[in-house]
Amino acid sequence: NAGVTQTPKFQVLKTGQSMTLQCAQDMNHEYMSWYRQDPGMGLRLIHYSVGAGITDQGEVPNGYNVSRSTTEDFPLRLLSAAPSQTSVYFCASSFYGLGGRHTDTQYFGPGTRLTVL
Amino acid sequence: SQQGEEDPQALSIQEGENATMNCSYKTSINNLQWYRQNSGRGLVHLILIRSNEREKHSGRLRVTLDTSKKSSSLLITASRAADTASYFCATDGSSGYSTLTFGKGTMLLVSP
Repeated sequence: NAGVTQTPKFQVLKTGQSMTLQCAQDMNHEYMSWYRQDPGMGLRLIHYSVGAGITDQGEVPNGYNVSRSTTEDFPLRLLSAAPSQTSVYFCASSFYGLGGRHTDTQYFGPGTRLTVL
Repeated sequence: SQQGEEDPQALSIQEGENATMNCSYKTSINNLQWYRQNSGRGLVHLILIRSNEREKHSGRLRVTLDTSKKSSSLLITASRAADTASYFCATDGSSGYSTLTFGKGTMLLVSP
């Protein structure tokens, strides 16, 4: 199994540009999520999905869109990049816990380092 | 908002010593997890402890959970230089469609 894969590894954008960060998993996990990690801030949840066709906002959703058309893929779209979106982005997936009430062990991708000039 | 807060922010020890990190959280949880992140890498799951468990072991790792104090500790025994990393606790909520909330992490440096 490849686990959770993310592309690209690095990206530089100019303010106002849009782009899509790709995330895919081959473990048949229902739950997928996107986090951003900034120095001294830990990980903050952007968006998450509990299954194909179902997405919801996390703690810091502004400026980002997601969709989940398949179980395997969960792309994150930056609509109009801003310097405040400079960060490292991690995608994670997991089985959805017993009774759908709590999240299980998260498997993380290697991350995408994004710089917005 | 950060649910879990790790303490200390940074910890420096010698190889062979034990390392203890603490995590405090604010609201009721179903489970608490600990993750490790090596510099520049993704997070790796270490251990998950459910709210009805008090202690759990995995190799050199020992995790305790005190739900009355809303706190958890991670003990790494006989530390090695390879344990140098940041360690994060993550908690979920008690409502449906739960999400994980991560703390800011403890940076552990183990010197040879």
